[in-house]
Amino acid sequence: EDKVVQSPLSLVVHEGDTVTLNCSYEVTNFRSLLWYKQEKKAPTFLFMLTSSGIEKKSGRLSSILDKKELFSILNITATQTGDSAIYLCAVLNAGNNRKLIWGLGTSLAVNP
Amino acid sequence: DGGITQSPKYLFRKEGQNVTLSCEQNLNHDAMYWYRQDPGQGLRLIYYSQIVNDFQKGDIAEGYSVSREKKESFPLTVTSAQKNPTAFYLCASSIARNSNQPQHFGDGTRLSIL
Repeated sequence: EDKVVQSPLSLVVHEGDTVTLNCSYEVTNFRSLLWYKQEKKAPTFLFMLTSSGIEKKSGRLSSILDKKELFSILNITATQTGDSAIYLCAVLNAGNNRKLIWGLGTSLAVNP
Repeated sequence: DGGITQSPKYLFRKEGQNVTLSCEQNLNHDAMYWYRQDPGQGLRLIYYSQIVNDFQKGDIAEGYSVSREKKESFPLTVTSAQKNPTAFYLCASSIARNSNQPQHFGDGTRLSIL
C-alpha cells in the first residue's frame, strides 16, 4: 500500500534556529513530491520536486528530493514565528489512479 | 484575484439532516477535489472531478455526494448517512488531473454536529 511518512510529527524551536523536516515515501509509480504549509486554513503550495538532487529554494525555505532513498527534506533557516504551521508532504502517484498520497504533517512551533 | 472560495466557514448539522458545502473557483481549472481533514490523520480524498458532468469516488465517499454542473463549482453534500461528519473539509483544484501541476486549496469549512 502506498504511504508517506513525515517526521518528526511535531517540533518546537526558537526564532533563528534552522529546522529540517523529513518526508519518506513508498509509492508505486512516483510522479512528484509536493510540500505545503498549512496555517489555520488552506494548505498553501511551497514546492514540487520531480528530480533527484535538484534543490528548490524560496527565501529561507529549501527542499531536495532523493529518489534512490525515497525521501525529501524541507529546510527552514533563520526561523521566524510566522513559520509556525503544519507542513504537509504529499506524493503524486502517476498510475491510472493518479492521486496524491498525503503524510500526517509536521507541526512546527517557533517561539520568540 | 483568482482563487478558490469555500462557504460557509463554519457549519452545524443536526441529526438526520443533509448539508451542502460550497466550493467555487475562478482559476479555470478542470479538476476539482474534496478532502476531509481530521486531527492526527492525513488529508483523505472524498470525491474528485476531472471535467464538467463527471466525478469519481475517492477513498471515503460513503455518506457524501457531489455534482459538477459547471466548471467553476463543485458542491459537496454531507448526507445523514455519514455518521461521523465532524471534520474540516477542504476543496482543491488543479489545471487537470493528468497534469503534473499542484493542487490549490480553499480556506475550508469546519462542520460540527449539534
